[in-house]
Amino acid sequence: GEDVEQSLFLSVREGDSSVINCTYTDSSSTYLYWYKQEPGAGLQLLTYIFSNMDMKQDQRLTVLLNKKDKHLSLRIADTQTGDSAIYFCAEIPSRQNFVFGPGTRLSVLP
Amino acid sequence: GAVVSQHPSRVICKSGTSVKIECRSLDFQATTMFWYRQFPKQSLMLMATSNEGSKATYEQGVEKDKFLINHASLTLSTLTVTSAHPEDSSFYICSARDGFNQPQHFGDGTRLSIL
Repeated sequence: GEDVEQSLFLSVREGDSSVINCTYTDSSSTYLYWYKQEPGAGLQLLTYIFSNMDMKQDQRLTVLLNKKDKHLSLRIADTQTGDSAIYFCAEIPSRQNFVFGPGTRLSVLP
Repeated sequence: GAVVSQHPSRVICKSGTSVKIECRSLDFQATTMFWYRQFPKQSLMLMATSNEGSKATYEQGVEKDKFLINHASLTLSTLTVTSAHPEDSSFYICSARDGFNQPQHFGDGTRLSIL
């Protein structure tokens, strides 16, 4: 079956870079997504990457995709306290719906 | 763009009450809508998938008579928790997309508390 894995916790100091990692299982997934969930809120789409890309950059966010290893990462440059949240990666296995990872809780320390 | 509005954001009611939650796509047509449940400090659990004009597809273990889903238009889906009990207390989140490989856009969630 499909399984998306993430580490559950990450702590960084304000101003440092954060790197959140994700592994997925279905190599046929066309798109891979990163969502952010702040306390008591729904999920906000942060960015996504098409499977034939290696990297996508959007302001402070950089997504790296290693399709051979089925590894996805999200790098947040100059992490701020407002970046504290839970980050979910998600894939769409062939002809199926989204599969979400368990979420990584990012804590930004002053 | 791609805004999903979920209402109400919070419901507190007595055991035995039925509660309806609405999910609207405000600026796109949602061919598919999803309903999730999220327990504290856990990931999302998909409850059901609904396509406009057809019956919802429920995930294993989700009671379709307990969680009634209606997706009558391309912009509106409703989830009704019938005869709610304290164990139904949870955070319910809807999402919508306008194509198979398109991103899901999420509502802000409804916190349901059953006393």
